[in-house]
Amino acid sequence: NAGVTQTPKFQVLKTGQSMTLQCAQDMNHNSMYWYRQDPGMGLRLIYYSASEGTTDKGEVPNGYNVSRLNKREFSLRLESAAPSQTSVYFCASTLAAPGAGELFFGEGSRLTVL
Amino acid sequence: SQQGEEDPQALSIQEGENATMNCSYKTSINNLQWYRQNSGRGLVHLILIRSNEREKHSGRLRVTLDTSKKSSSLLITASRAADTASYFCANNSGSRLTFGEGTQLTVNP
Repeated sequence: NAGVTQTPKFQVLKTGQSMTLQCAQDMNHNSMYWYRQDPGMGLRLIYYSASEGTTDKGEVPNGYNVSRLNKREFSLRLESAAPSQTSVYFCASTLAAPGAGELFFGEGSRLTVL
Repeated sequence: SQQGEEDPQALSIQEGENATMNCSYKTSINNLQWYRQNSGRGLVHLILIRSNEREKHSGRLRVTLDTSKKSSSLLITASRAADTASYFCANNSGSRLTFGEGTQLTVNP
């Protein structure tokens, strides 16, 4: 049982390049999330999807786009990467409605923007 | 920001001692959750306490919630070296979870 799988685990980009972080869960969860984690700032919500076909902005959505491709997959795209987007990105999912139950996290994607 | 605050930011104790971490939040909540993160790994859910509950136990973990003070605490009893990790509280109000900045716990053998 894989749980939440994120790819890639590590990525280095140059300023202005684009990339997509992929996330897939095999637990038949309804809600999926993208967070970023920076030193001293905890986790901040970028975007979430309460169900297939819906997405909503979180606390720090600027510079990102998301796609809920199907119930299993939720991708995060950086169209023009900036050094301020250097961070560790976590995907998470939950069976419950947003906020109502425990989140299951992936292992993270470590992104460096030069 | 809706983020809560956790204290202490860092805690170092000896194996066998108890560890207490505190969390405060700013808005009314539906529930409050605690997570653990080992270095370089994703977060793992530990326990969820609902707004109408005051205390909850899970193994060596004890969580309390005081909604009048908008605060929660996590107690780990009889700590072990393997408990070394960062611990985060996350409060739920509405449709999202808001995480605190975490407490780094080090348990020395």
